[in-house]
Amino acid sequence: EDQVTQSPEALRLQEGESSSLNCSYTVSGLRGLFWYRQDPGKGPEFLFTLYSAGEEKEKERLKATLTKKESFLHITAPKPEDSATYLCAVQRGNSGGYQKVTFGTGTKLQVIP
Amino acid sequence: DAGITQSPRHKVTETGTPVTLRCHQTENHRYMYWYRQDPGHGLRLIHYSYGVKDTDKGEVSDGYSVSRSKTEDFLLTLESATSSQTSVYFCATTQGADTQYFGPGTRLTVL
Repeated sequence: EDQVTQSPEALRLQEGESSSLNCSYTVSGLRGLFWYRQDPGKGPEFLFTLYSAGEEKEKERLKATLTKKESFLHITAPKPEDSATYLCAVQRGNSGGYQKVTFGTGTKLQVIP
Repeated sequence: DAGITQSPRHKVTETGTPVTLRCHQTENHRYMYWYRQDPGHGLRLIHYSYGVKDTDKGEVSDGYSVSRSKTEDFLLTLESATSSQTSVYFCATTQGADTQYFGPGTRLTVL
């Protein structure tokens, strides 16, 4: 069974204090790993897709990395507007049809001014 | 971002009543999905569609049915709502079997 575990469940940072969120996964044949941001009362907003170990992607203050067992979302010098819940998901690769996606429960990030 | 709308955005209903949630997309994406999101659980797939009139069950499909008569619309129906179906429901779409884009959600309360 595919599993995604995100840690910590909640993280409180001072503005400018860099940190990392962790996503550990087990999946039968990884096709892709996704990061989303979700603000209260809204739908998940796509951030990154990573496909293979060693891959990195960046967007503003966010950088996502991938190994064979986990992914990290690094947040550099965060600002209060980075406060949100960050979701990780893995997609199983199989031939044709629906490619199952399993979501983690998220890390709730709060950035204090 | 895919143009995805959901209606209604909020609904309160009583146990035993039928409820239909609508998802509308303007991107002509082939795949559409219905998820529910509950505290302590990741997003869980209810049903998905891979084309007009082509649907299949997800991991939590009991008590739900879906229909897709047009590419742009995907309906989720609770035939007889129960309190355990109180949740936030999200629709998502993809063109291929890749990144899913989500709608704004529907908060459903079953009393």
